[in-house]
Amino acid sequence: AQSVTQPDIHITVSEGASLELRCNYSYGATPYLFWYVQSPGQGLQLLLKYFSGDTLVQGIKGFEAEFKRSQSSFNLRKPSVHWSDAAEYFCAVGSYKLSFGAGTTVTVRA
Amino acid sequence: SQTIHQWPATLVQPVGSPLSLECTVEGTSNPNLYWYRQAAGRGLQLLFYSVGIGQISSEVPQNLSASRPQDRQFILSSKKLLLSDSGFYLCAWGQGFSYEQYFGPGTRLTVT
Repeated sequence: AQSVTQPDIHITVSEGASLELRCNYSYGATPYLFWYVQSPGQGLQLLLKYFSGDTLVQGIKGFEAEFKRSQSSFNLRKPSVHWSDAAEYFCAVGSYKLSFGAGTTVTVRA
Repeated sequence: SQTIHQWPATLVQPVGSPLSLECTVEGTSNPNLYWYRQAAGRGLQLLFYSVGIGQISSEVPQNLSASRPQDRQFILSSKKLLLSDSGFYLCAWGQGFSYEQYFGPGTRLTVT
């Protein structure tokens, strides 16, 4: 069975500081991994995806994620956060059916 | 480019009333279509998915149903709403072997 764990329910970060969101997955084969962002009351927007190849993937809005097979992790990072990055972030794994983590809410303080 | 629409954006319905939420996709053909529900403070729960017209797979037993009358139209229905049906309903589409899904703006349903 496939599943995703996002250990951090809520993270607060200062504007300009770096951000890292953790994601651990369980999947029976080579995983397809995704990060999505959701602003309040909105749908989800795809930030980046990993299928194969380079384990460090770049996404939109200055985000990147690193796939580590040995740790079953796919952590999301941003070197310098902006106030507009305050949102909820979801990690997902799967193929034609995705399993989503419970999400991490990011608060950005001035 | 592809666009996904959902309506209505918000809906308040009494317990026991029927429900119909609609989702349409533009700019692509034969997409995979999905309905998710997102309860407050929780992740996404896959309710239904469809890989073609008339093909519906249900993930969670409940009083909801889904239909796909046209290639790019996906409808979520209920004959009698329960309080527990309240939530944020998201439609998504995907295609091919890249497996990423693209989400609509969502419908906020409140059952009173």
